[in-house]
Amino acid sequence: AQSVTQLGSHVSVSEGALVLLRCNYSSSVPPYLFWYVQYPNQGLQLLLKYTSAATLVKGINGFEAEFKKSETSFHLTKPSAHMSDAAEYFCAVTTPGSARQLTFGSGTQLTVLP
Amino acid sequence: DVKVTQSSRYLVKRTGEKVFLECVQDMDHENMFWYRQDPGLGLRLIYFSYDVKMKEKGDIPEGYSVSREKKERFSLILESASTNQTSMYLCASSQIQGGGWNTEAFFGQGTRLTVV
Repeated sequence: AQSVTQLGSHVSVSEGALVLLRCNYSSSVPPYLFWYVQYPNQGLQLLLKYTSAATLVKGINGFEAEFKKSETSFHLTKPSAHMSDAAEYFCAVTTPGSARQLTFGSGTQLTVLP
Repeated sequence: DVKVTQSSRYLVKRTGEKVFLECVQDMDHENMFWYRQDPGLGLRLIYFSYDVKMKEKGDIPEGYSVSREKKERFSLILESASTNQTSMYLCASSQIQGGGWNTEAFFGQGTRLTVV
């Protein structure tokens, strides 16, 4: 079985500050990991994905995430927050042979303060 | 651009009604999914399909059924709508590459269903 835990349902940062959104996963086999973003009243859009290549993954809009097997983590970071980053962020996991389904975390709402 | 189109953005239905949510994708993807999104619970998988006429139950299939008669279309059916099915419903599609499940899922805009 696979699962994802996102620590912090709400995160607030000031514009220009570091963004750190936490994701820990549980999987009995090497996972594939994803971060999605959802802007208000829209569907989900892929930010980045880890598929067993480089452990540091760069995505769109300046976001990146690092896969740490020892910590079972895949935290999302951005060096400098922008007002347009305000959205809900979801971490998701899947594994080979998992019947092709993604398991999502409960989401983190990011607020960017002026 | 890949497009996943859900037929309605907002729906209001009465308790007991039969409700159809339609989803169409234009990228010839094999896999299609229906998720339900509720605050604090993230996305929960209702049903998915990896081929025409094939369906698999997800985590919360009770009260729902699905239909996939054509590759591009995946319908979610609420046989008898109840107030606890008020939610945001998201459709997604994806394509298997190289035998591995490492490709992204593309999502529709969502349908916000209110059952009164």
